[in-house]
Amino acid sequence: DQQVKQNSPSLSVQEGRISILNCDYTNSMFDYFLWYKKYPAEGPTFLISISSIKDKNEDGRFTVFLNKSAKHLSLHIVPSQPGDSAVYFCAASERWNTDKLIFGTGTRLQVFP
Amino acid sequence: DGGITQSPKYLFRKEGQNVTLSCEQNLNHDAMYWYRQDPGQGLRLIYYSQIVNDFQKGDIAEGYSVSREKKESFPLTVTSAQKNPTAFYLCASSSSAASGKDEQFFGPGTRLTVL
Repeated sequence: DQQVKQNSPSLSVQEGRISILNCDYTNSMFDYFLWYKKYPAEGPTFLISISSIKDKNEDGRFTVFLNKSAKHLSLHIVPSQPGDSAVYFCAASERWNTDKLIFGTGTRLQVFP
Repeated sequence: DGGITQSPKYLFRKEGQNVTLSCEQNLNHDAMYWYRQDPGQGLRLIYYSQIVNDFQKGDIAEGYSVSREKKESFPLTVTSAQKNPTAFYLCASSSSAASGKDEQFFGPGTRLTVL
């Protein structure tokens, strides 16, 4: 049973436009969420996180929104750049089991000129 | 430079052989993790260790073994009991297993192919 779902396997966006990557979860005990970016044949790198006490967190061009009632989070990248082309994973952990990150299946973002 | 190293980057083994994947970190992190990634799937946790000489099974520990004799090292052995060992293996570490709020830092990964 997939507790963290990224239903869009791929997304294509023009350079300069907004990229919106979505993530849904089913476990109401999740209280910390992270986004990772991964290039081929490399390990994921941490991008941004959000705690369940917040509904928005911003870091430069990256903003994560959390809608707890809908069990949904999204990552906005504005403006999108070709270097943002990668696979993006969302991950979540429970308050009392913080060592275990549950990852989604990833969304491949392609930013074209 | 601080970071996590995994070696080798590519590894080939014959079916039925055990193989050990290396993971070393010089970030002084307490917690270390092993994940497996298969095509079209997210990362799945194999084993993790919060402290030296202690480790816990993750979601898919069967067919794998680990040791944590030193803080900076967390090798993973893929045994012959693992039915489908061909995958991309990722090691990670984090600074505070207790709070758990620090993000995990990942190594570059090892792609294991069993022939």
